[in-house]
Amino acid sequence: QKEVEQDPGPLSVPEGAIVSLNCTYSNSAFQYFMWYRQYSRKGPELLMYTYSSGNKEDGRFTAQVDKSSKYISLFIRDSQPSDSATYLCAMSENSSASKIIFGSGTRLSIRP
Amino acid sequence: DSGVTQTPKHLITATGQRVTLRCSPRSGDLSVYWYQQSLDQGLQFLIQYYNGEERAKGNILERFSAQQFPDLHSELNLSSLELGDSALYFCASSVGTADDLTEAFFGQGTRLTVV
Repeated sequence: QKEVEQDPGPLSVPEGAIVSLNCTYSNSAFQYFMWYRQYSRKGPELLMYTYSSGNKEDGRFTAQVDKSSKYISLFIRDSQPSDSATYLCAMSENSSASKIIFGSGTRLSIRP
Repeated sequence: DSGVTQTPKHLITATGQRVTLRCSPRSGDLSVYWYQQSLDQGLQFLIQYYNGEERAKGNILERFSAQQFPDLHSELNLSSLELGDSALYFCASSVGTADDLTEAFFGQGTRLTVV
């Protein structure tokens, strides 16, 4: 079993829909939780990161962490075609690059 | 554009060969990280350099090596290539001393195909 599990998709939704992307993990010591967006033929770009539990909001994006369930989510409101990308979750006991475990990514497509 | 430049963008080579991937970090960034992204393994940390010194090492194969030069650009050398080495190789850079990936920016990657 992988430490971080992420449904690869693809996920296709109509423009304007609310998108929910999720990851589960097995290591209860994880404290830092990150979401990256990766456009085709580009490198990952950090969208949001949270420490420990709770929610964090940034514009149309909300990151949610439920440590009791070992489950994290990224919500995208009012989804746009420009949100079409692969979304990677990542997590670690600290934010050290050498310790971060990435999910395999979910491909998201927003239909105009 | 993240400001991190990787060359070449694409590379096709035969098994057993050796290649060098190059990364120029953002201006002012002292840390360089190398990652491998394959379909079955996802994004995996290989190695980090800070101001010319190796800072952290991940699951980097012995056939792979890296270095960071005085002008802060970095090279990842892959030798005795195998089909399984086909992947996207990303470089990221950050300004800080700590290997905090939340402060790092990724380049566009080099797509390596071993045939």
